[in-house]
Amino acid sequence: DGGITQSPKYLFRKEGQNVTLSCEQNLNHDAMYWYRQDPGQGLRLIYYSQIVNDFQKGDIAEGYSVSREKKESFPLTVTSAQKNPTAFYLCASSYVTGSPDTQYFGPGTRLTVL
Amino acid sequence: DQQVKQNSPSLSVQEGRISILNCDYTNSMFDYFLWYKKYPAEGPTFLISISSIKDKNEDGRFTVFLNKSAKHLSLHIVPSQPGDSAVYFCAASNFGNEKLTFGTGTRLTIIP
Repeated sequence: DGGITQSPKYLFRKEGQNVTLSCEQNLNHDAMYWYRQDPGQGLRLIYYSQIVNDFQKGDIAEGYSVSREKKESFPLTVTSAQKNPTAFYLCASSYVTGSPDTQYFGPGTRLTVL
Repeated sequence: DQQVKQNSPSLSVQEGRISILNCDYTNSMFDYFLWYKKYPAEGPTFLISISSIKDKNEDGRFTVFLNKSAKHLSLHIVPSQPGDSAVYFCAASNFGNEKLTFGTGTRLTIIP
């Protein structure tokens, strides 16, 4: 079955530590995205990538970093510079067609900073 | 600057009746709109979309209406079912741009 997997589902981190969230897709999508969801807020874009070895900052990129070494994988690192990292993180992917296309989401990772 | 707004954080509807969820946008460049449904602790799932060349799109119980002059879209669910209880997000984009801008969501509760 094609889909997007995120691991782990729950993640705990001590203040000052970096942590990496995994996102893998087997949908053969070119584009991948990372969003953050906080209570009472919509999904806010952190980073996105339309092609391997290239990515762009979204609306709230500060304190985060990404890599796109393979088409299937787009890991997100939450660094110690991120002031409020506790949130629900969602990865998504889509085709790149030159037109907007439906993004498909993974199940999410809830990160809690202790 | 919230370019996509869902002004009702919550909505309760009797089972079998119509649910109407609303969304307003400010960016006149948006020309493609989507609705997503989200259960707690899960990723959003795509429901239905509409491009600006249309004013209505239907898929089963779900219909999306677009009023470009008012910069307003709505999602109608008829008849509403208990499984429809979830948070609904509207999202917008424009052709040539894969990025989506999301609203803050509306929590829909269907009362049996």
